[in-house]
Order: sequence, then structure tokens, then C-alpha cells
Amino acid sequence: DAGVIQSPRHEVTEMGQEVTLRCKPISGHDYLFWYRQTMMRGLELLIYFNNNVPIDDSGMPEDRFSAKMPNASFSTLKIQPSEPRDSAVYFCASSSLGAEAFFGQGTRLTVV
Amino acid sequence: KQEVTQIPAALSVPEGENLVLNCSFTDSAIYNLQWFRQDPGKGLTSLLLIQSSQREQTSGRLNASLDKSSGRSTLYIAASQPGDSATYLCAVMAGGTSYGKLTFGQGTILTVHP
Repeated sequence: DAGVIQSPRHEVTEMGQEVTLRCKPISGHDYLFWYRQTMMRGLELLIYFNNNVPIDDSGMPEDRFSAKMPNASFSTLKIQPSEPRDSAVYFCASSSLGAEAFFGQGTRLTVV
Repeated sequence: KQEVTQIPAALSVPEGENLVLNCSFTDSAIYNLQWFRQDPGKGLTSLLLIQSSQREQTSGRLNASLDKSSGRSTLYIAASQPGDSATYLCAVMAGGTSYGKLTFGQGTILTVHP
């Protein structure tokens, strides 16, 4: 398996634009996590899914953020409209319950 | 709500020293605990996974221990090398009502100088 795959690796966008981040988890993993990492706040859990169902989205900062997992091999995190304070590195991770979690390489988002 | 704390926030040691990184968590209803390493500008790499029923795990120069009842874990690095310089993060996977939720500490920034 190629591991957790995220795209794009880098995204620069203007304030107010819609941003979509993508994640392909490791095949067979039934948990998928979206995190945001900043210097100030560290690694924050935004939302996680189990068997494609959102379990806890309490970390999603506001209604501008949404996440979907239409099938076991794909998830998206959308920000609409984007703001400069959304600039961060966004990570996707996947695991099976009780097993190691594996992370993607992250998407570095810059909103100008 | 699970809270994970790592001490110290930063550590600078000379090459060859043995060192200990600490992780504590508030809710002992965990499924497992995992230690990660993150190099600057990179993703997270898993180092060790300890199941809640285990006391320790070893991989090479790394040894991680878990005391679930007291909510503590330590990562021991033997004979540190400059290549060990990185940020080390611990994460707990919840059991109980938050089944599967993976919560991270803020990390310890380790610098090993030659």
C-alpha cells in the first residue's frame, strides 16, 4: 500500500475562495482522522470517521469547515469561504481500532 | 474530555546521553498509546504503539512504557544521536464513549547536539 495519500501538497488561495483538501486512506482501515497543525495550537483533531460515518466533529472550528467521506477510500475537507487564519498544515490519518495510525504528508494551506 | 500533556516542551542534550520524554493523559479509558516523531516540515512517523494491556514496547534504542492507571507514559531514548533531533508526540486512542478518538499532546522538541 502507498500509505495515506493527501492532495494537494501545497495550496495557496485568496481569502474568500473555496478550498478542498483530499485524502485517500490506507485500504482496510476503518478510521479516518483530519487534523490541523499550527505553531500556536499544535495538532488539533478536527473530525474523525468510522466506517465512513462522522463520529465526532466537535473540533471543526466553525461552519465554514465541512468534511465528507463518501466511501471507504476517499475523504474531503472543505473550507468555504477561506480566511487567512485558516492557514496551517492539514493532516489526514487512518487506522484500524487498536492498531497504529498512519499519517499522510499533509497539505500546507496558505490563505492570502 | 481527554487531555494529553507532554513534558518537557523542549529538550537539548549532548550526543550520547540517555533521555526520557514524558506524556500524561487525564482519562485512563484508553485503547492504546502511540509515540510519533515529526521532522520539520514533514508528516508524522509512528515509533511505538502500546496497547492498554501492555506495560512497555521496545524498538532499537527506544523504549516506551505505559502506566494506564496513573495516566502516564514515558519514551526512553538510549545513547542519543544528532539524527534523533525532531519533535516527539504522544497520542492516545480512546476507549469508552469516545471510542477510536486519537488525541495528541503538544510535543517535545528534542535537539541532540554533537
